[in-house]
Amino acid sequence: LAKTTQPISMDSYEGQEVNITCSHNNIATNDYITWYQQFPSQGPRFIIQGYKTKVTNEVASLFIPADRKSSTLSLPRVSLSDTAVYYCLVGDVLHGSSNTGKLIFGQGTTLQVKP
Amino acid sequence: NAGVTQTPKFRVLKTGQSMTLLCAQDMNHEYMYWYRQDPGMGLRLIHYSVGEGTTAKGEVPDGYNVSRLKKQNFLLGLESAAPSQTSVYFCASSYRNTGELFFGEGSRLTVL
Repeated sequence: LAKTTQPISMDSYEGQEVNITCSHNNIATNDYITWYQQFPSQGPRFIIQGYKTKVTNEVASLFIPADRKSSTLSLPRVSLSDTAVYYCLVGDVLHGSSNTGKLIFGQGTTLQVKP
Repeated sequence: NAGVTQTPKFRVLKTGQSMTLLCAQDMNHEYMYWYRQDPGMGLRLIHYSVGEGTTAKGEVPDGYNVSRLKKQNFLLGLESAAPSQTSVYFCASSYRNTGELFFGEGSRLTVL
């Protein structure tokens, strides 16, 4: 199963772009990369998911290089409300392998956005 | 739709007592998960289920049992609670053909 490594914490200022990188050297062919956001006392919330290249939605972009051994979550122009813990999840979320269902989260990155 | 509902939201137990956490989802999801989260830590997978009547072990299954008798419900049981099981427990569910996990609000369990 793919193990993920993220920075423990990051600081930023309002209006800046924030990039959080996740390393997943042993990612498998059937694995997708998904990012979640968690506020205190709440369950994680889905942000974005991708398999390769670049994915963009209304809140973030996800960059995945060709070798897929890492990924970068990009948050454009962060605000104070983006202060949260961000988790990178790598796993067979579409259930195409024998490891289907065993979705292991990494330690997460605590992002602190300052005024 | 309520989404994923966990009950109870708070519980205090004494060492050795038993209890069951209930997770209910109304989205007709095939997959369901139980995670625990300790202060300042990430989420650790306890058990999961890929369909009604199935369960499987996650990263930290010891001391817990689960059942999925109905598709919409996933129960997490502690037969003999220990202080090390003090944690916030999160249930999640997902549809077969998407990768999006939907989480409940969490159940905070304290074992004295």
